[in-house]
Amino acid sequence: EVQLVESGGGLVKPGGSLRLSCAASEFTFSNYNMNWVRQAPGKGLEWVSSISSSSRYIYYADSVKGRFTISRDNAKNSLYLQMNSLRAEDTAVYYCARDSPYCSSTSCYGFDPWGQGTLVTVSS
Amino acid sequence: SYVLTQPPSVSVAPGKTARITCGGNNIGSKSVHWYQQKPGQAPVLVVYDDSDRPSGIPERFSGSNSGNTATLTISRVEAGDEADYYCQVWDSSSDRVVFGGGTKLTVL
Repeated sequence: EVQLVESGGGLVKPGGSLRLSCAASEFTFSNYNMNWVRQAPGKGLEWVSSISSSSRYIYYADSVKGRFTISRDNAKNSLYLQMNSLRAEDTAVYYCARDSPYCSSTSCYGFDPWGQGTLVTVSS
Repeated sequence: SYVLTQPPSVSVAPGKTARITCGGNNIGSKSVHWYQQKPGQAPVLVVYDDSDRPSGIPERFSGSNSGNTATLTISRVEAGDEADYYCQVWDSSSDRVVFGGGTKLTVL
C-alpha cells in the first residue's frame, strides 16, 4: 500500500525554524512530483509548495515564499519542508501529498494519496 | 490571483442528490479536482479532471465543469458522505495550486 508519513511537527516560538519530513513507501518516489498542503485549525486547505520529480521545478504559495524551502532526496524516498521565520499564522496541520497517478502527457490530476499530517504550532 | 468560490454548506436528505458548486473565472477551461475530508482524517481525491473517478470511489460521485462553474454531484447520498468537500485547480498563469474554501455537506 502506498504510504506517506510526515514527521517533525511540534511547538516553536515565533521567528523560529522547523524542518518537516515525509517518508514515502511502496511506490517509485523518484517518478512523482510531491506537494505540501496545510490546514489551519478549523479552516480549509491551503497549498504550500510543490516540487517536481527531479527537483527541477519548485513552486511556493506567496504566503511562504522566501521563508519556506521544499526539497527532496530521491535516494532516501523523502520529501522535506524547511520552515524559517515562523509566524503564528503558520500554525496548521501540514500534509505531504503525492501527485496522483492519473496523468495526461503533460500533467497529473490532483493529489493522491495524502499523509496523515503533522501539527505545527507557532506560539510563544 | 485565481479564486475558487464554494458555498460554505449544503444539506441533503439521505437517498437524495447533493450538488456542490465551485465557481471561478472561466473555470471550464481548467481541470478541476475534488476532495472529500472527514473529521480528523486526511483529504481523499474523489473526482479528478472534472469528471473522472479514482479507483475505489463509488459511481455515486460524479463531476462536471463548464463556463464559470464546476459541480460535484453525489447521488443517493448516504450518512457516510457527510464531510467537507474541496475543489482544486492548477492556475497556470501564476504557477499556483488553488483550493476552494470548502463546503460542509450535512446529511439530514
